[in-house]
Amino acid sequence: DSGVTQTPKHLITATGQRVTLRCSPRSGDLSVYWYQQSLDQGLQFLIQYYNGEERAKGNILERFSAQQFPDLHSELNLSSLELGDSALYFCASSVSGANTGELFFGEGSRLTVL
Amino acid sequence: AQTVTQSQPEMSVQEAETVTLSCTYDTSENNYYLFWYKQPPSRQMILVIRQEAYKQQNATENRFSVNFQKAAKSFSLKISDSQLGDTAMYFCAFRGLTGGGNKLTFGTGTQLKVEL
Repeated sequence: DSGVTQTPKHLITATGQRVTLRCSPRSGDLSVYWYQQSLDQGLQFLIQYYNGEERAKGNILERFSAQQFPDLHSELNLSSLELGDSALYFCASSVSGANTGELFFGEGSRLTVL
Repeated sequence: AQTVTQSQPEMSVQEAETVTLSCTYDTSENNYYLFWYKQPPSRQMILVIRQEAYKQQNATENRFSVNFQKAAKSFSLKISDSQLGDTAMYFCAFRGLTGGGNKLTFGTGTQLKVEL
């Protein structure tokens, strides 16, 4: 158990809909990262938040948005969903300045768009 | 921008044998971290081993060890005494320490199958 909690684990929805994925980082971790893994693909970085502020942005579509709340949990909002948005969405967290350098990953939220 | 390349999409190894997975990366940074993550069929991302670039000694975790060649920007993973439970997708990842939010950049992965 990494200590990172993601909900829901599975989500099935239709094209054009909007969904929200939630992530609770490990206790004490200030940074949250979102990654997308499409079928049989590597992990693509979407966005990072640090202590409530956006820190870095990757290949995130304009239809997607995220935020980190004062309690440090984060939400990834996906709107106007398309079939190609079907993927496993990972949240990861880390402590800024930690000397281990690793990210701790949640179990992912599997999104299926029909 | 950093890039990570894994040139072996698939590999197989017999149980109890040794296998080496390759990874190269490109960066202009001098200090950084390198990782190997394992993704079994459950899809959970599991850290296998980490290497700090400032350490010359290669990291070792039980049956897993790395060959870190900083000048060549190479970071291979050796799995000794392979076990059926090692069957998984293995991702090499880079994490810089300056700018860019310190995100992990992943390679495309190597699917390893351990056979009887």
